[in-house]
Amino acid sequence: EIVLTQSPGTLSLSPGERATLSCRASQSVSSNYLAWYQQKPGQAPRLLIYGASTRATALPDRFSGSGSGTDFTLSISRLEPEDFAVYYCQQYASSPYTFGQGTKLEIK
Amino acid sequence: QLQLQESGPGLVMPSETLSLTCTVSGGSISSFDYSWGWIRQPPGKGLEWIGSIYNDGRTYFNPSLKSRVTISVDTSKSQFSLRLNSVTAADTAVFYCTAGGGIAVAGAWGQGTLVTVSS
Repeated sequence: EIVLTQSPGTLSLSPGERATLSCRASQSVSSNYLAWYQQKPGQAPRLLIYGASTRATALPDRFSGSGSGTDFTLSISRLEPEDFAVYYCQQYASSPYTFGQGTKLEIK
Repeated sequence: QLQLQESGPGLVMPSETLSLTCTVSGGSISSFDYSWGWIRQPPGKGLEWIGSIYNDGRTYFNPSLKSRVTISVDTSKSQFSLRLNSVTAADTAVFYCTAGGGIAVAGAWGQGTLVTVSS
C-alpha cells in the first residue's frame, strides 16, 4: 500500500500570499497518477488537480500541481479568502487508492 | 450537468448490513464513460476509498474492505449501490458517492450521507 504523507499539517497564511503544500509517497506513483482535492467544512471534497498537474475544469489558474515519482506539490499563487480549507492528495496508481491525511490551510 | 445524490438509512445496528444508493441525474448513467465509486470519511478524519464500478460491471475494491463490500449498478434506474456487511462502530462515517474519468479519481461527488453504526 502506498502511504501518502502531507506536510505541513497546518499552514497559516494571509490572503494574497503563496501557499505550497507537499505530498510525499512511500513509493513511486506510476504515471504520476496523483490528484489533489479541496474540502471545506460540511462539504464534499472537490477535485482540483489530476495527473499531478492537470487542472480540473474551471479551476482558477492560481492553482497548480507539480512533481513526479514520490514528491508532489500543490501551489496556490495568491490566496483568496475562499481558498482556506483542507487539502488532500490521493494516489490512484496502485490499489488501494489512498489519500494523504490532509493539510489544513488557515487564515493567519 | 452530472449530479449525484446518496440515499439510505442514517442508523445501522452493529453486525448488520449498511446499504446506500446513489442516484445519478443530468443524464443516463449509461451515457457516461465513468467509474462510479464510494468514498467514506469518519467524523473528523480523512478519506478512504471503498471501491468503484464501471457500467459493464467491473468492480474494484479496497482490499481492507473487500470481504464485506458489494457494489452494483442499475443502469435502468441510473443508480449504483453500496452494501457493507457486518458493520461495527468503526464503520461510522460520511459516505460519498463519486464519479470520475479514471478509477478512483472523483471528479463529481454527492453531498454525502452520515451513517452511524450504533445499537
